[in-house]
Amino acid sequence: NAGVTQTPKFQVLKTGQSMTLQCAQDMNHEYMSWYRQDPGMGLRLIHYSVGAGITDQGEVPNGYNVSRSTTEDFPLRLLSAAPSQTSVYFCASRTSRDADYGYTFGSGTRLTVV
Amino acid sequence: GNSVTQMEGPVTLSEEAFLTINCTYTATGYPSLFWYVQYPGEGLQLLLKATKADDKGSNKGFEATYRKETTSFHLEKGSVQVSDSAVYFCALSPGGTGRRALTFGSGTRLQVQP
Repeated sequence: NAGVTQTPKFQVLKTGQSMTLQCAQDMNHEYMSWYRQDPGMGLRLIHYSVGAGITDQGEVPNGYNVSRSTTEDFPLRLLSAAPSQTSVYFCASRTSRDADYGYTFGSGTRLTVV
Repeated sequence: GNSVTQMEGPVTLSEEAFLTINCTYTATGYPSLFWYVQYPGEGLQLLLKATKADDKGSNKGFEATYRKETTSFHLEKGSVQVSDSAVYFCALSPGGTGRRALTFGSGTRLQVQP
């Protein structure tokens, strides 16, 4: 089924460890974004990309890196995990052809840093 | 900057009651407005949208009207069902040619009792 696939669904990390959250979409969407969801704060933008090779920072980029080598994939890297990064992470994508088209979201990755 | 403010939840209603979830926004220019819904354990799904003033978005019995004069986009449903229990997010995408990533409100949890 077409959509946005995130892996893993759950992850527990120790403080200081690094990891990559994977995101892939098969809809040929140009725009992709990473959000984190924390209780009472809605979703906050971490990084986004408007196409392969083009990325930019969002509202809360510190501690995270991204790259976009292909249209399909947009991995999010945690360089040195901290308890403050405990959150649910969502990847989302949309086409660039319709500026008001809604984003398609993945099912999320629940990350706990201990 | 852009911001979205939603009424705090949880909102608890009996089945067949009328629902209103308030949403107001701050943005420059002419943003597009969205309502997303998140069912337990899932990612966000686009519920409805409106792209210009006085537009009414509707889907699955839910409606919201883009009111530029009051900078509001309140979500309404005439008769809620238990299956509507979820978290609802109001969001905006800024107008113009800049970044089109979404800015979210903090979310409103709706609980519908039989």
